[in-house]
Amino acid sequence: EVQLVESGGGLVQPGGSLRLSCAASGFTFSSYAMTWVRQAPGKGLEWVSTIHNGGGGSFYADSVKGRFTISRDNSKNMLYLQTDSLRAEDTAVYYCAKNYGMPTSNYYFDYWGQGTLVTVSS
Amino acid sequence: QSVLTQPPSVSGAPGQNVTISCTGNSSNIGAGSAVHWYQHLPGTAPKLLIFGYTNRPSGVPDRFSGSKSGTSASLAITGLQAEDEADYYCQSYDSGLSGWVFGGGTKVTVL
Repeated sequence: EVQLVESGGGLVQPGGSLRLSCAASGFTFSSYAMTWVRQAPGKGLEWVSTIHNGGGGSFYADSVKGRFTISRDNSKNMLYLQTDSLRAEDTAVYYCAKNYGMPTSNYYFDYWGQGTLVTVSS
Repeated sequence: QSVLTQPPSVSGAPGQNVTISCTGNSSNIGAGSAVHWYQHLPGTAPKLLIFGYTNRPSGVPDRFSGSKSGTSASLAITGLQAEDEADYYCQSYDSGLSGWVFGGGTKVTVL
């Protein structure tokens, strides 16, 4: 059974940082691209970042480019999102999701975690 | 403003049929990027409903079906049930933005 469990969320002041983690199990983690998606309070889903299975390619939404860094450790089946220079508008539930589909442009997200809440406030 | 446009809400009585549209443009659906659909109950993990316009993952009831027409896609729910009350999102890839995009979401209410 595929499981994705996020952690690392919490309350942080504007300008602060958090490192989100996603523990994966139930599939060959190193074979699949992975993605972070977020949902701000009362808003819809927003794609944040995707990383290829080998970690060699990563992609970011314009809203987080230069501030967030996605990474993975295939030896530990872990996905990470380093969030720096956080703003109030980054407040959201952050979900990790497993990618599927080819080519890259046809990626979809076949399994999701329950999410971790990040609140940016003074 | 989402790149993919969905109606904010649709509703129907139990047993009725509803359809949710997802309108894109020449940078996403019109460029050949596939559309996928998700069901989301607040506080839970989103669930994949349809991939590649029309395909259902194992375990998804056949009451859910997808279609494509030009630069739009649609999700149909036939024989609406109380448990279908949720938010529904379409998703694709946008070559102009070089990233994946979601529709704004549609809240389905079962009357």
